Amino acid sequence: LAKTTQPISMDSYEGQEVNITCSHNNIATNDYITWYQQFPSQGPRFIIQGYKTKVTNEVASLFIPADRKSSTLSLPRVSLSDTAVYYCLSPLTGANNLFFGTGTRLTVIP
Amino acid sequence: DGGITQSPKYLFRKEGQNVTLSCEQNLNHDAMYWYRQDPGQGLRLIYYSQIVNDFQKGDIAEGYSVSREKKESFPLTVTSAQKNPTAFYLCASRDRGSRSTDTQYFGPGTRLTVL
Repeated sequence: LAKTTQPISMDSYEGQEVNITCSHNNIATNDYITWYQQFPSQGPRFIIQGYKTKVTNEVASLFIPADRKSSTLSLPRVSLSDTAVYYCLSPLTGANNLFFGTGTRLTVIP
Repeated sequence: DGGITQSPKYLFRKEGQNVTLSCEQNLNHDAMYWYRQDPGQGLRLIYYSQIVNDFQKGDIAEGYSVSREKKESFPLTVTSAQKNPTAFYLCASRDRGSRSTDTQYFGPGTRLTVL
């Protein structure tokens, strides 16, 4: 199973860059890594997705090393509104659903 | 606007009653999912459907039932057999495409409270 492991929680001050690392040792050759963001009492929403090297969009950057056994979500200059739970996911081998673990609870401090 | 709608947003139920949560999508997605989320926890898969008239049990299907008679609708019934139904319920859908780039789109959720 392409189960992922990430820190349970992180704190950061406003304006700082935040890096959340996820390990996915059993990722399949063709699978992508996807990150979601969830605010309290809302459904998760897609942030970014990548296969290898670096991907950047208007919200975040995703760094994936050559061995693809881990990935790092980078949030530049976080604000209070970035306080949320961040999930790292990859499709389960042989299944058609994503596995949501407990995610990383990011708290941005004024 | 394309998207997923869930209703109601808040639902209260007495013990021993069945209740049905609605999920509708106009994204023309083939696959639909139901998740349960408890406070401070991640999402757990209840049921999923990859095509009309077909659905599969997820990790915690006991006490729940679903139907998929139309592509755009995937209602979830929480039965009296579910011993601890108070939770936040999320519906999601996914386009049938490459499984490798699986991306799910979520509804706003229904918070069910058993009184």
